Amino acid sequence: AQSVAQPEDQVNVAEGNPLTVKCTYSVSGNPYLFWYVQYPNRGLQFLLKYITGDNLVKGSYGFEAEFNKSQTSFHLKKPSALVSDSALYFCAVRDSGGSYIPTFGRGTSLIVHP
Amino acid sequence: GAVVSQHPSWVICKSGTSVKIECRSLDFQATTMFWYRQFPKQSLMLMATSNEGSKATYEQGVEKDKFLINHASLTLSTLTVTSAHPEDSSFYICSARDSGREPYEQYFGPGTRLTVT
Repeated sequence: AQSVAQPEDQVNVAEGNPLTVKCTYSVSGNPYLFWYVQYPNRGLQFLLKYITGDNLVKGSYGFEAEFNKSQTSFHLKKPSALVSDSALYFCAVRDSGGSYIPTFGRGTSLIVHP
Repeated sequence: GAVVSQHPSWVICKSGTSVKIECRSLDFQATTMFWYRQFPKQSLMLMATSNEGSKATYEQGVEKDKFLINHASLTLSTLTVTSAHPEDSSFYICSARDSGREPYEQYFGPGTRLTVT
């Protein structure tokens, strides 16, 4: 079985400050991990993924995420937040040895204040 | 590359009528497409997985006779909401896996807002 948790419904950060959106996961085998962003009334846009290799993954729009196997986490980060980063963020996980269908977290609303 | 389109982007229909939503992979072939439903400020709920040329696999609790899915070609899947009711109003999102690339990512369509009056 695979599962993912996003413990925060909402994250508030001031523009220019660093941001972190948390994600923890559970899989039986090795995880494939993804972050997506959704703007209002839009589909999901792919930000980044971890499959294997370096634990620090860099993605679109200046976002990055760090895979931490011991803590089973894959937190999304950005050094300096922009107001335009305000959106809904989804973490997803798939077990590399299981179904190809990923499980999505419930989403975290990021609000960046000017 | 890897663009998925949906049509229409929004639709309003009367209760009791049927609505068809199209999902197309524009620049790749998708042997598998997924249909999700999303309620306001909530996560995605996987409704069904459709494989080209075969019957869709529906998730538990999803009425297959109400939500008809057809995946007749490698670039097109359709979702038909039959005899729609106001409780079917939602945001429907499709996604597709590129059968020609690494099987890791899903590419999402922009979504279709359905309102049943």
